[in-house]
Parts: sequence; C-alpha cells; structure tokens
Amino acid sequence: NAGVTQTPKFRILKIGQSMTLQCAQDMNHNYMYWYRQDPGMGLKLIYYSVGAGITDKGEVPNGYNVSRSTTEDFPLRLELAAPSQTSVYFCASRQGLFEKLFFGSGTQLSVL
Amino acid sequence: GQQLNQSPQSMFIQEGEDVSMNCTSSSIFNTWLWYKQDPGEGPVLLIALYKAGELTSNGRLTAQFGITRKDSFLNISASIPSDVGIYFCAVQETSGSRLTFGEGTQLTVNP
Repeated sequence: NAGVTQTPKFRILKIGQSMTLQCAQDMNHNYMYWYRQDPGMGLKLIYYSVGAGITDKGEVPNGYNVSRSTTEDFPLRLELAAPSQTSVYFCASRQGLFEKLFFGSGTQLSVL
Repeated sequence: GQQLNQSPQSMFIQEGEDVSMNCTSSSIFNTWLWYKQDPGEGPVLLIALYKAGELTSNGRLTAQFGITRKDSFLNISASIPSDVGIYFCAVQETSGSRLTFGEGTQLTVNP
C-alpha cells in the first residue's frame, strides 16, 4: 500500500518563485489536510478538504492555495514564495471524522 | 485558533526510566489523540481517547483523557532507545473536520 505520497521530498526556491507540492492518497479517503511544521514547533493547519470539490482554510492559509478536483489528489500551491514559507510540509488523509489520520513523509522546502 | 499547551517541551532520560508528558487546553474537546514523529517522517497515531476519564494502553504507553475534557497525559514505561522522537497531543475540534496539534515534546533516551 502506497498510502499518502508526497512529492518532491526536498525543494529549494528563490524568493518570488512559485511551485506546487503534490499529495496523493490511494485509500479513497474523503478528508485531506495540509500542515506545515517549522523547526522545533508543532504542526499548523494550512488548508483542508472534506471531499472532492470542497476546500477550507486552516490556521495559516495566507500565501497558499489548494484544489481538490479528485478524491485522490490534494495539491498545495505557493504563488510567490517567501522566506517565511521555509518549512516542512505534511499532507494527511483519513476516511472519516473519527478515523485514523495517515501522514505522508513530508516535503522539506527552503525559500532563499 | 485553538491553543494546546504541551509540556515539557523536551526531556532527556536514561533507558529504563518512565516518562510522563501532558497537554492542556482552555476549551473542552471530545477527542484527544497522541502521535509520535520519528526524524524525517510524518506523525503516527499512538493512542486515541474518546471518553472523559478514559485510560487506554498500547504496549508500554498509557494515555488518559482528563475528566474535565480539557487535558490529557501520556506515560511511557521502561523507556528504550527507539522511543526517541517528538510526541504530539492533538484534539478534534467540535466541528469535527479539523485536527489541532500541540507544540510537541522532544524525547531523548540515553542508552
């Protein structure tokens, strides 16, 4: 089972560049989430989705966009990268509200 | 957003010692969760608590859901080197869709 797959694993961006962090899950989960984890800190929710076509903001959505055109994919878009977006990004999914949350292995992003 | 206060921030212990960490909130939650994150990996669920006062074990791990529904603690007995990692508490928000995480407790176990 692939589970939750994130690509790329590492990326370095210049200030002002844009990129898309990919997230795919093969478990037919309805709920998908994007978190960021700054060094020595906990996870902050960026955006989440409760199903295809439905997305909502989390705690720290500024500077990011998401889409959920299919159940499997939940890409995270950075339009104008800033140094404050240097972080490790985790995608996660679960089938239902009280089901176990499965995490991907993360994307380490540096904006220089 | 909701704040979870997790303590201690870090712990350095000897192999074989017991460990205790806790998490508190100013709001009531109906679901408390404990996760562990190994270096370079995403968090993995250890224990889920759904009922106030509930005490649940998973091997050497024991977690309790506080009776006030505003706190939870995690105990690890007879620690071993592979217990090293960051432990997070998390709560399911009342709307159900969002999961909020604490700041984490970094555990180091010296052999």
